[in-house]
Amino acid sequence: DQQVKQNSPSLSVQEGRISILNCDYTNSMFDYFLWYKKYPAEGPTFLISISSIKDKNEDGRFTVFLNKSAKHLSLHIVPSQPGDSAVYFCAASANSGYSTLTFGKGTMLLVSP
Amino acid sequence: GAGVSQSPRYKVAKRGQDVALRCDPISGHVSLFWYQQALGQGPEFLTYFQNEAQLDKSGLPSDRFFAERPEGSVSTLKIQRTQQEDSAVYLCASSGTGQNIQYFGAGTRLSVL
Repeated sequence: DQQVKQNSPSLSVQEGRISILNCDYTNSMFDYFLWYKKYPAEGPTFLISISSIKDKNEDGRFTVFLNKSAKHLSLHIVPSQPGDSAVYFCAASANSGYSTLTFGKGTMLLVSP
Repeated sequence: GAGVSQSPRYKVAKRGQDVALRCDPISGHVSLFWYQQALGQGPEFLTYFQNEAQLDKSGLPSDRFFAERPEGSVSTLKIQRTQQEDSAVYLCASSGTGQNIQYFGAGTRLSVL
């Protein structure tokens, strides 16, 4: 069973608009969440993270929201740019002494000019 | 270089052949992880090293998979008697002491024919 779920395989938005990528998790032991961005033929690149003690973290155009009661997090990108087109992975870790990551399947974002 | 380096980038193997994949982590990073990413899926954990000690190998799919990090720096993932189902991208990641963020290499794409 998938512990981290990204139910939208793809998302298309226009340049300048907001992109919202969603992620749900089932394991209540997860306490740290990360978003990675991946271009073709490259490895995942860290984008932004949030600890379970917070409900929001912002870095420039990127904001991650965490709703612990719903076991849901979302990544907001505003304004979206064509260079944001990539696959976005949601990942989670539990406080196990080291931080093995459990990933979702990813959402492909396409930002059109 | 400053990032995680993996080699080779691409490897084609005949079924039954042994392969060795190399990872050179970020200098000074004590934690090193290997992940397997099948087509259309998110990365899945294989094994974890803290310095030279392999502390978790619960994700290795079979005893044909073996990983080592003898001097606590470079790591090698070895797959013996490769099978078609081993075809995937193998990602290496490293992180510093106490860090939750993992930094990934570009991966090795293994194709078993």
